[in-house]
Amino acid sequence: AQSVAQPEDQVNVAEGNPLTVKCTYSVSGNPYLFWYVQYPNRGLQFLLKYITGDNLVKGSYGFEAEFNKSQTSFHLKKPSALVSDSALYFCAVRGYGNKLVFGAGTILRVKS
Amino acid sequence: NAGVMQNPRHLVRRRGQEARLRCSPMKGHSHVYWYRQLPEEGLKFMVYLQKENIIDESGMPKERFSAEFPKEGPSILRIQQVVRGDSAAYFCASSPLGTGAEKLFFGSGTQLSVL
Repeated sequence: AQSVAQPEDQVNVAEGNPLTVKCTYSVSGNPYLFWYVQYPNRGLQFLLKYITGDNLVKGSYGFEAEFNKSQTSFHLKKPSALVSDSALYFCAVRGYGNKLVFGAGTILRVKS
Repeated sequence: NAGVMQNPRHLVRRRGQEARLRCSPMKGHSHVYWYRQLPEEGLKFMVYLQKENIIDESGMPKERFSAEFPKEGPSILRIQQVVRGDSAAYFCASSPLGTGAEKLFFGSGTQLSVL
């Protein structure tokens, strides 16, 4: 079955520092991978996706993610964190039947 | 172009009552997905619908839960005889024809509380 794992429940980072939110995947075949962000009391917002092509994918709000096939990872990164980046981040993979399968989520806290 | 609209935002029900959650997809979108988010958990897929068709309901509990997406009007997620364990945030997402999971737009969710 297609699945993703987010090994960290929470990531804390100081404003201005680089951030990484980790995601590993398990799929058969080529993965379609996604990152979404959820702010309090809001729905999920799409950040970026990897389908094919360059391993470094750039997305919204200055975020990027690196697809690493050998490590089966798709970590979300940002060079300089903002307090406003504090939110819940979900990694997802396209599963069977054309639906998204989400990880458990990682809370990102950026402190000033 | 309005986004995915879900209502109500908050719904309180007593055990045994029925809950109806509505989702109006974005204009032009013909696919609707329902997800449930339990406290401390990620989003769990429930059901995938097209107009007048259920495409995949593999995530739906076998009893008490049903979903529809009629030709006219919003998609409805219906929970009969609610129990406390049904308390969760329910999210709807829509996508245009032909894109499926690659381009999902989420609503703000309905928070269901069962007393």
